[in-house]
Amino acid sequence: DAGVIQSPRHEVTEMGQEVTLRCKPISGHNSLFWYRQTMMRGLELLIYFNNNVPIDDSGMPEDRFSAKMPNASFSTLKIQPSEPRDSAVYFCASSYIAYEQYFGPGTRLTVT
Amino acid sequence: GENVEQHPSTLSVQEGDSAVIKCTYSDSASNYFPWYKQELGKRPQLIIDIRSNVGEKKDQRIAVTLNKTAKHFSLHITETQPEDSAVYFCAALANQAGTALIFGKGTTLSVSS
Repeated sequence: DAGVIQSPRHEVTEMGQEVTLRCKPISGHNSLFWYRQTMMRGLELLIYFNNNVPIDDSGMPEDRFSAKMPNASFSTLKIQPSEPRDSAVYFCASSYIAYEQYFGPGTRLTVT
Repeated sequence: GENVEQHPSTLSVQEGDSAVIKCTYSDSASNYFPWYKQELGKRPQLIIDIRSNVGEKKDQRIAVTLNKTAKHFSLHITETQPEDSAVYFCAALANQAGTALIFGKGTTLSVSS
């Protein structure tokens, strides 16, 4: 099993640019989660999907953030326009048995 | 909503000593409490979890205890080793749907040899 796959692993962009982060969950998992990790705020849940349907997006910080899950094997998190305060590590995680979440390697985003 | 508090934020122990990390939660309906270990530059990884129908669970040198009345749970690591050095996160379920975890702020454990 390849585990949760995220791309890119590192992204450096300029303020104002659009950023798209990608995630492929573990095959057979039916829940997908997007987290943001910073030193100041720790690990924050941004949004999660059950069976490709967004369930709770209350953690999405602003309208600049959007997430989609067009099918069971792919999800995107988009930031448009990006700002320096968006710099963080973004993790995607997936689960099947409701509780046991498995994290991807993360995408380290730097916005200059 | 659910809120998880974790203490201490940093913990330094000598190799061979025990380490204890404590968490409290606010939602009495929460019924699942995992612990994750995150080594520097890596992803969080599940190391042990406990559900509300048990009070303690052990896996080799690590154990977790749960007190539902007091709404707190703890991670115990015995005979610590340098490779136990990492950030440890506790978490609790956020809602009745049972799929969204709320994480504590993390504890940085340093084990010196």
